[in-house]
Amino acid sequence: EVQLVQSGAEVKKPGESLKISCKGSGYSFADHWIGWVRQKPGKGLEWMGIIYPGDSDIRYNPSFKGQVTISADESISTAYLLWSSLKASDTALYYCARLHWEFLGLDSWGQGTLVTVSS
Amino acid sequence: DIVLTQTPLSSPVTLGQPASISCRSSQSLVHTNGNTYLSWLHQRPGQPPRLLIYEISNRFSGVPDRFSGSGAGTDFTLKINRVEAEDVGIYYCMQATQFPHTFGQGTKLEIK
Repeated sequence: EVQLVQSGAEVKKPGESLKISCKGSGYSFADHWIGWVRQKPGKGLEWMGIIYPGDSDIRYNPSFKGQVTISADESISTAYLLWSSLKASDTALYYCARLHWEFLGLDSWGQGTLVTVSS
Repeated sequence: DIVLTQTPLSSPVTLGQPASISCRSSQSLVHTNGNTYLSWLHQRPGQPPRLLIYEISNRFSGVPDRFSGSGAGTDFTLKINRVEAEDVGIYYCMQATQFPHTFGQGTKLEIK
């Protein structure tokens, strides 16, 4: 069974750094893109960026480029989303999702990581 | 970036009746390889989204056959032929033809 398990909720202060994780299991982690999606409270889905763990090809939504860093460690089947300096506006639920290599649909989702940034 | 516009934004439906959601793209979603990477997702309150339909009209594993997708080029439709209570939530179209991938703004399906 394909599973993506994300790290737990975080409460941070503005200016702090944060790295959240997404661990895949039940499939060949290297062979499918892993994307990150933001959902602010009561709002829709925003596509942040995506990484292909097999060769670390990364594509960012221009709206998020420079604001976050996406990475992956194929050896432990884990993708990451990193902020170097959080803002209050980063408060949101963050999902990782697998993009199936063949039909390019987000076919498996993590449970979400709630990030709260508040002074 | 490709903009996906969904209509309606809200759809009150009677149980057992059909529902339809439109997704219009700002440019053609036909990839250079000839495939069209338009999918539909459903998000229930408090849950992650789940994939319903991929490549316009293919139902994902476990999705009931009351869900169907159609369309081509820039205009796509998700239909539910008999709405059930478990179908409430928000429906999103998404394109993966071109980076950055994008979502529609979502359509809220609620029971009258």
